[in-house]
Amino acid sequence: EVQLVESGGGLVQPGRSLRLSCAGYGFTFEDYAMHWVRQAPGKGLEWVSGFSWSSGSVNYADSVKGRFTISRDNARNSLYLQMNSLKTEDTALYYCAKEGGGYFDSWGQGTLVTVSS
Amino acid sequence: QVVLTQSFSASASLGASVKLTCTLSSGHSSYAIAWHQQQPEKGPRYLMKVNSDGSHSKGDGIPDRFSGSSSGAERYLTVSGLQSEDEADYYCQTWGTGFHVVFGGGTKLTVL
Repeated sequence: EVQLVESGGGLVQPGRSLRLSCAGYGFTFEDYAMHWVRQAPGKGLEWVSGFSWSSGSVNYADSVKGRFTISRDNARNSLYLQMNSLKTEDTALYYCAKEGGGYFDSWGQGTLVTVSS
Repeated sequence: QVVLTQSFSASASLGASVKLTCTLSSGHSSYAIAWHQQQPEKGPRYLMKVNSDGSHSKGDGIPDRFSGSSSGAERYLTVSGLQSEDEADYYCQTWGTGFHVVFGGGTKLTVL
């Protein structure tokens, strides 16, 4: 059974940094593209960043480009999101998602990031 | 850039059927989409992919009550024999330019 477990969320002041992790279980991690998706309180889903398995290419939503960095360690079956220069509008539940068949076929339960002074 | 449009809310009675719509923006009617369900206080769950020809492929363990279809730029999710646990938010998703992912705004389904 595929399982994605996020961690690393918490309360952080504006302008500070935070690093999220996502551990993958039950599948060959290195064979799949992985993504981060967030959901602000009471709002819909917003794609944040993705890491292609084949080309190694990464991409970011305009709202986080230049501030967030996605990375992965296939030996540890883990995906990461380094978030710098955090803003109050980055407050959200951050989900890790596995891409299968071209779409997000598995999701984690999320880790909450709160940016507040 | 492709835009996905969903109704804000929908409702139907227990045991009835409901058809949710996701509309692709002009010029993108050939795109496939995926449907995801998010029950209250839970992470999203992948339901299915729906192609422009109406064919669909469901995720593991998704009940037969869920089906997908298409017409032009519209992609549908039909839930038959509504159960209380079907009360959830439903999101459609597709790919934009440059390996960007696009979500619709979501439809909140209420089971009466």
